[in-house]
Amino acid sequence: EAGVTQSPTHLIKTRGQQVTLRCSPISGHTSVYWYQQALGLGLQFLLWYDEGEERNRGNFPPRFSGRQFPNYSSELNVNALELEDSALYLCASSWLTGGLGEQYFGPGTRLTVT
Amino acid sequence: KNEVEQSPQNLTAQEGEFITINCSYSVGISALHWLQQHPGGGIVSLFMLSSGKKKHGRLIATINIQEKHSSLHITASHPRDSAVYICAAVTQGGSEKLVFGKGTKLTVNP
Repeated sequence: EAGVTQSPTHLIKTRGQQVTLRCSPISGHTSVYWYQQALGLGLQFLLWYDEGEERNRGNFPPRFSGRQFPNYSSELNVNALELEDSALYLCASSWLTGGLGEQYFGPGTRLTVT
Repeated sequence: KNEVEQSPQNLTAQEGEFITINCSYSVGISALHWLQQHPGGGIVSLFMLSSGKKKHGRLIATINIQEKHSSLHITASHPRDSAVYICAAVTQGGSEKLVFGKGTKLTVNP
């Protein structure tokens, strides 16, 4: 069974640009979670999608957005990039909604903003 | 004060020692996750529990809902257990989200 996949693996952008990160969940999983891990900081909850709907978001500005497609894959979009957006972005999927199921993490996308 | 607190922040042990990592939370939760993050960044879910105790190999996780406290134990620790261990609380209230502790960096020396 294929695990959670994320693309791209690494990305370098400049301030003010926009970026799109992608996540494919494990087959059969309908919930997708996005997390940010900035260097030296802990994991921060970004967004939670389930059955195509945004269910909850963390304390991030509106320039962080995303969506979930009918096949349950998901995109995270970040507009007007700032230096502090440099981080590892992790996606996780679960077959149970609401954080109540085991989460399977992808390898992450490392974003560097210069 | 963070909603989820872990202790200790850093832990160094000798191979074979019994390890305990603690997690306390101040919010109502419906479940708690223990995660392991290796130096490369990859994260593995170790346990998800809402009551009692779970065991997987040398790892044991317990949770006391009344005391709002969970522990992760590693028996017979090994250098390959060296990683950052993170607890994450699933908040209640109809708008669930995960709130993470800052992690405990464990180093097990041979």
